[in-house]
Amino acid sequence: DIQMTQSPSSLSASVGDRVTITCRASQYISNYLNWYQQKPRKAPKLLIFSASSLQSGVPSRFSGSGSGTDFTLTISSLQPEDFAAYYCQQSYSPLYTFGQGTKLEIK
Amino acid sequence: EVQLLESGGGLVQPGGSLRLSCAASGFTFSNYAMNWVRQAPGKGLEWVSAVSGSDGNTYYADSVKGRFTISRDNSKTTLYLQTNSLRAEDTAVYYCARGHWGLGFSMDVWGQGTTVTVSS
Repeated sequence: DIQMTQSPSSLSASVGDRVTITCRASQYISNYLNWYQQKPRKAPKLLIFSASSLQSGVPSRFSGSGSGTDFTLTISSLQPEDFAAYYCQQSYSPLYTFGQGTKLEIK
Repeated sequence: EVQLLESGGGLVQPGGSLRLSCAASGFTFSNYAMNWVRQAPGKGLEWVSAVSGSDGNTYYADSVKGRFTISRDNSKTTLYLQTNSLRAEDTAVYYCARGHWGLGFSMDVWGQGTTVTVSS
């Protein structure tokens, strides 16, 4: 199975900060990398698909990049509603796998 | 409105079984793969199983292979997960999610989840 490793596992930041979360795949996955946001007691929400494509309705302060094995999610200017958990997920193999998650907290 | 609604969760003893259901509406169900994803208390997301849209191919995480069975009834626009030989570590919120081939096979629509608790 393809292993996905996210870093950091937690992050403290302030409103207005620029933050970056990284995700590394254990093998080549082309651009089959997706990012999700999850708020407490809510279902995950798709933010970015195919490594860099913004899902409809997602604010443009979210962006994704990368290909092959290394990927990043960037939030250009944190807003109060962005404090949540973020997960990467590979869809290159039909046996999907998620990263362990990054919890973004208010500093 | 595109919607997924899970049901069937509950409290079950170790070794027991439950059948989870996910009722879909607002889209052509048979055109999409469907997934089950779970989240244990305080933990991250774990993909559990998937079934393709029309040909019925199925896929399972190693942690549930041989114990769980995914299926779908396209005429009823409903997804199922039969869970057998349940263990304490299967305790989780179970989400169904639509797989969208046009969005990099990402999961673009999620239900609200149903809770499975395995305990004696």
